[in-house]
Amino acid sequence: DQQVKQNSPSLSVQEGRISILNCDYTNSMFDYFLWYKKYPAEGPTFLISISSIKDKNEDGRFTVFLNKSAKHLSLHIVPSQPGDSAVYFCAALGNEKLTFGTGTRLTIIP
Amino acid sequence: KAGVTQTPRYLIKTRGQQVTLSCSPISGHRSVSWYQQTPGQGLQFLFEYFSETQRNKGNFPGRFSGRQFSNSRSEMNVSTLELGDSALYLCASSLKTGLNTGELFFGEGSRLTVL
Repeated sequence: DQQVKQNSPSLSVQEGRISILNCDYTNSMFDYFLWYKKYPAEGPTFLISISSIKDKNEDGRFTVFLNKSAKHLSLHIVPSQPGDSAVYFCAALGNEKLTFGTGTRLTIIP
Repeated sequence: KAGVTQTPRYLIKTRGQQVTLSCSPISGHRSVSWYQQTPGQGLQFLFEYFSETQRNKGNFPGRFSGRQFSNSRSEMNVSTLELGDSALYLCASSLKTGLNTGELFFGEGSRLTVL
């Protein structure tokens, strides 16, 4: 039972445009959400997070939006750059466990 | 500051064998957690250790075990290997128990292939 879902396994975006990665969750007990980025042959690196008491958190080109009523999380990257090409995992923290989604491979087209 | 170091990076085993993977956390970090990554399944939580104590465990069979030493280094062991155990095993460390904030520092992983 996948409690954190990333329904798009891949996404291609033109350089300079906005990339929007989506994540849905089912467990209303999750209270903290994170995005991790993974390059091939490297471990995931933390990107940005948001507490369940907020609906938006921004860090430079990266903004995470949380819609608790819809149990939906999204990551916006603007403008997208070639170095953003990677696999993005959303993760949810609850009950002292971190649950990851299956990842979305983002490709930025120059 | 050295990152999280995992050894070995790659290994091949046959069914029925056992394997031990090692993880050295970032200096000063006391929490180590382990994840299994397989295609289509994302990262699945195995267990977390903090100050040599297992704090939490995921939904894996008892063939998967781990431990943490007094210097915070951790090992995980998989006994009686099955083909489905082929995966990338990732170790992550954090200063405190990382599952307070979820902000973890990952190693590059150990890729296990079971034949």
